[in-house]
Amino acid sequence: GEDVEQSLFLSVREGDSSVINCTYTDSSSTYLYWYKQEPGAGLQLLTYIFSNMDMKQDQRLTVLLNKKDKHLSLRIADTQTGDSAIYFCASSGYSTLTFGKGTMLLVS
Amino acid sequence: DAGVTQSPTHLIKTRGQQVTLRCSPKSGHDTVSWYQQALGQGPQFIFQYYEEEERQRGNFPDRFSGHQFPNYSSELNVNALLLGDSALYLCASSLGVIAGELFFGEGSRLTVL
Repeated sequence: GEDVEQSLFLSVREGDSSVINCTYTDSSSTYLYWYKQEPGAGLQLLTYIFSNMDMKQDQRLTVLLNKKDKHLSLRIADTQTGDSAIYFCASSGYSTLTFGKGTMLLVS
Repeated sequence: DAGVTQSPTHLIKTRGQQVTLRCSPKSGHDTVSWYQQALGQGPQFIFQYYEEEERQRGNFPDRFSGHQFPNYSSELNVNALLLGDSALYLCASSLGVIAGELFFGEGSRLTVL
């Protein structure tokens, strides 16, 4: 079945850029997503990219998609302490999402 | 504009009991999906409801069932609870069945003792 993999942990200093990486296996994925989850909370949709796009920028967030390598990345510019959370990458089939295990971002 | 709302937020059950979780989709959305998130894991797809019918189902046993009402709200029912059913149950809503903008609620945290 489909699989999505992410590194489990990333630590950065406040003000630096953060880059969270993700790989997926389903070459027919239509959309690719980034969600943020704070402790004890649900999932907050940060951004998503259609599979025929290479890049999407939204304020401090930049998403890069390498469809050939099935690699997705999320760059957060000027990382703040409020960005500390778990970030999930997800790929979509026709109507369902497959999630990675999440990357814990710690901002110090 | 209300987002996705879920109830209850927390509940504790014992093995063998049954539980019902509720979800109201974001205003304007007509499709509801349910996901199970075990501790330390990413969410896993349970099933999706559209036009009051189950449209897609993940790899979950028949103990997991659901319903969608004419106002698009939805319920998730789990029978014969097992310890392994302890998890955060997330409801997501969208417009139409095709994946696109998918918004999640805060979840219902179920603990089975």
